[in-house]
Amino acid sequence: GQNIDQPTEMTATEGAIVQINCTYQTSGFNGLFWYQQHAGEAPTFLSYNVLDGLEEKGRFSSFLSRSKGYSYLLLKELQMKDSASYLCAVKDSNYQLIWGAGTKLIIKP
Amino acid sequence: GAVVSQHPSWVICKSGTSVKIECRSLDFQATTMFWYRQFPKQSLMLMATSNEGSKATYEQGVEKDKFLINHASLTLSTLTVTSAHPEDSSFYICSAKKTGFETEAFFGQGTRLTVV
Repeated sequence: GQNIDQPTEMTATEGAIVQINCTYQTSGFNGLFWYQQHAGEAPTFLSYNVLDGLEEKGRFSSFLSRSKGYSYLLLKELQMKDSASYLCAVKDSNYQLIWGAGTKLIIKP
Repeated sequence: GAVVSQHPSWVICKSGTSVKIECRSLDFQATTMFWYRQFPKQSLMLMATSNEGSKATYEQGVEKDKFLINHASLTLSTLTVTSAHPEDSSFYICSAKKTGFETEAFFGQGTRLTVV
């Protein structure tokens, strides 16, 4: 079966750095996405990785290792507004998005 | 840009009635739209894939007669929850895919449905 694992919840301090991991087992791979979702709102796109390596976009970076079926989202200089759920999703061989359950990130002052 | 508008943002309906949710791509043509359902503290669950001008493809376990999907134009898809019951209360989200090769899914703002 297809499976995407990410931690259920993480806590970090304002101004710090946090890394949210995602491991996946899917039938084929056509890219990995990270989305941010605030409570009661729809997800918003953060990043897309299809090749191995690190993609940096401002305070957020995303890393991919296809051989290991592994990705992480790195958030730097954490702000209170970063408190949200972070969803990892993989596009499989049918170009269908398979979603992880999301990681709830709690930022403390 | 790529804006997807979903309406209404929230709706309360009585058990047994039907509710229609609209999903519009405002500044691009969407050949494919996706409908998701999300229960509290859970991830997105794909309900169906909607292609313009053809019948929707439903995921296993989703009742096509209960969740009617229409994708009549390149900018509009609708989801109708028929004979709604309290267990249908959920957050429904649509996303749209541009024509051609496009990696990112563009989401509507979601609809909170409460059936009383």
